[in-house]
Amino acid sequence: GAVVSQHPSWVICKSGTSVKIECRSLDFQATTMFWYRQFPKQSLMLMATSNEGSKATYEQGVEKDKFLINHASLTLSTLTVTSAHPEDSSFYICSGVPGTSDAYEQYFGPGTRLTVT
Amino acid sequence: GESVGLHLPTLSVQEGDNSIINCAYSNSASDYFIWYKQESGKGPQFIIDIRSNMDKRQGQRVTVLLNKTVKHLSLQIAATQPGDSAVYFCAETTNYGQNFVFGPGTRLSVLP
Repeated sequence: GAVVSQHPSWVICKSGTSVKIECRSLDFQATTMFWYRQFPKQSLMLMATSNEGSKATYEQGVEKDKFLINHASLTLSTLTVTSAHPEDSSFYICSGVPGTSDAYEQYFGPGTRLTVT
Repeated sequence: GESVGLHLPTLSVQEGDNSIINCAYSNSASDYFIWYKQESGKGPQFIIDIRSNMDKRQGQRVTVLLNKTVKHLSLQIAATQPGDSAVYFCAETTNYGQNFVFGPGTRLSVLP
């Protein structure tokens, strides 16, 4: 149980376009979802925390107008990278926290590799 | 999240040997710690966790040790197998999981 999926798993887009990444909790309801980005050979860096039905909380240095997060339901959060540039190329990972557990349990998705050309 | 270093330490062990992966955490107020395994191109996978009121916890082939005095966490893997090859991250959190911080990661390479 506690499976999180992401779509797409890999996307290549042109500079200046926008890309939407979906994060779904398949067998549980996630009141909280986290979005991370990971550069090669580096650790995960938290970008934002999204709670269903409310605005996301962004980490310092993360542009909220560039990385739009929508947590529209208890099983779906989306991250839209607007006007993508090559420096946005990264591995984006989401995680979900089951609503019935304490906030410690995060279940991670498989990640989405974004390449901006 | 905090920024982390650019260099990923690597630990090479012989198949069948025990592995010990270390992690220094930064926040003395952290009360929950987790070890994750990440294979190439995949998301992190939960291995084992420990709360700050414990100093040792065992799972199947894995043991986590916590030393709050020196803010150190370790992951021990018994009888390391080729399938254990991956990058291992420790994570610390406070405030009931609202502030996760990941360590820089260690790449474990299992030699045949």
